[in-house]
Amino acid sequence: TAGITQAPTSQILAAGRSMTLRCTQDMRHNAMYWYRQDLGLGLRLIHYSNTAGTTGKGEVPDGYSVSRANTDDFPLTLASAVPSQTSVYFCASSGGGTSNEQFFGPGTRLTVL
Amino acid sequence: GQNIDQPTEMTATEGAIVQINCTYQTSGFNGLFWYQQHAGEAPTFLSYNVLDGLEEKGRFSSFLSRSKGYSYLLLKELQMKDSASYLCAGMDSNYQLIWGAGTKLIIKP
Repeated sequence: TAGITQAPTSQILAAGRSMTLRCTQDMRHNAMYWYRQDLGLGLRLIHYSNTAGTTGKGEVPDGYSVSRANTDDFPLTLASAVPSQTSVYFCASSGGGTSNEQFFGPGTRLTVL
Repeated sequence: GQNIDQPTEMTATEGAIVQINCTYQTSGFNGLFWYQQHAGEAPTFLSYNVLDGLEEKGRFSSFLSRSKGYSYLLLKELQMKDSASYLCAGMDSNYQLIWGAGTKLIIKP
């Protein structure tokens, strides 16, 4: 089982360009999340989706958008990238249950110049 | 506000025991999580506590006191591969995780 995959692994992007980070899970989890991780800070939630067809804003949603057309895919789009969006982006999913633990993808390292 | 506090860095010796503390403030509470994250990798789940007390899982144990807003992760018989960051996260009333900045654990031979 692949779990959660993310693409690309890393990317260098010119400021002002748009980009979509891809995330796919094969665990049939209802909930999916996008986080960014910056040095010295905890993981910060960008957007989330509790089930296919619904999305919500997290702690730092500005400059990002998401969609959840089906259970498996949860792409994150940067419409016009800025240098402050340089970060490592993690996608995660959770299936509920007793602990509601989140499973993480391998991450995308994005540099905006 | 919501906040998770944990030490930035700790150092321990191979074979020893180390305790990583975490204090939390969340809007509502639906459990306390610990994750391990090796450098350049994704976080991986270690433990979950929702009731007071100690949960033991092999060399790792996690403790929770809800009245004190406090948890700790206890690692026994430390191995070099335990060198990693340990992330504490509290789940709030909306079932969202609030994350600490992580504790970088350095293991010395």
